[in-house]
Amino acid sequence: QQQVKQSPQSLIVQKGGISIINCAYENTAFDYFPWYQQFPGKGPALLIAIRPDVSEKKEGRFTISFNKSAKQFSLHIMDSQPGDSATYFCAASIRDDKIIFGKGTRLHILP
Amino acid sequence: DAGVTQSPTHLIKTRGQHVTLRCSPISGHKSVSWYQQVLGQGPQFIFQYYEKEERGRGNFPDRFSARQFPNYSSELNVNALLLGDSALYLCASSKRMTGTDTQYFGPGTRLTVL
Repeated sequence: QQQVKQSPQSLIVQKGGISIINCAYENTAFDYFPWYQQFPGKGPALLIAIRPDVSEKKEGRFTISFNKSAKQFSLHIMDSQPGDSATYFCAASIRDDKIIFGKGTRLHILP
Repeated sequence: DAGVTQSPTHLIKTRGQHVTLRCSPISGHKSVSWYQQVLGQGPQFIFQYYEKEERGRGNFPDRFSARQFPNYSSELNVNALLLGDSALYLCASSKRMTGTDTQYFGPGTRLTVL
């Protein structure tokens, strides 16, 4: 099964709050899990990525939590800012293979 | 350094026509991938080219074809356009072929089929 399931579809968070986006996968062969951020009129840009041998990765205000046994991973955005308002995609891939994207989460941060 | 560039930005075609989309990768990148992004969905993989050879193909009909040139730029061709081909077509480049290598996306070509 190649699918990556992402939730929620949309999310509204107050400025300064924590935004949490969840993803689940079936294929245990996936070994790379990137998150992409896309602004209107732009292509997706890599935000942060994790491999399954690590349970958490933090870069600035962005953290990926990875649960290998549950086949789930999530993106946490701390101290969310209006500039974080965008569509976020989780994704997964196997070495030397295509990237499979989730359907996306539209995040809106209230000023 | 310039990022991934794509042309044209927007395109309007009618059903049955043919379209060619172009992509220039980041300098030094040898791999180019094409994705289709339908409104409200995540990008779906169409093709990957590395060193001018097709290295991967997604679940798209034979109406879709692509090629990569000696300078690593790429073209995506779609024949016999259908209404359902309306989408944002994204090109991504990376240094190597592996799925774990960072892919840098261009701004896309918005194709509308009437």
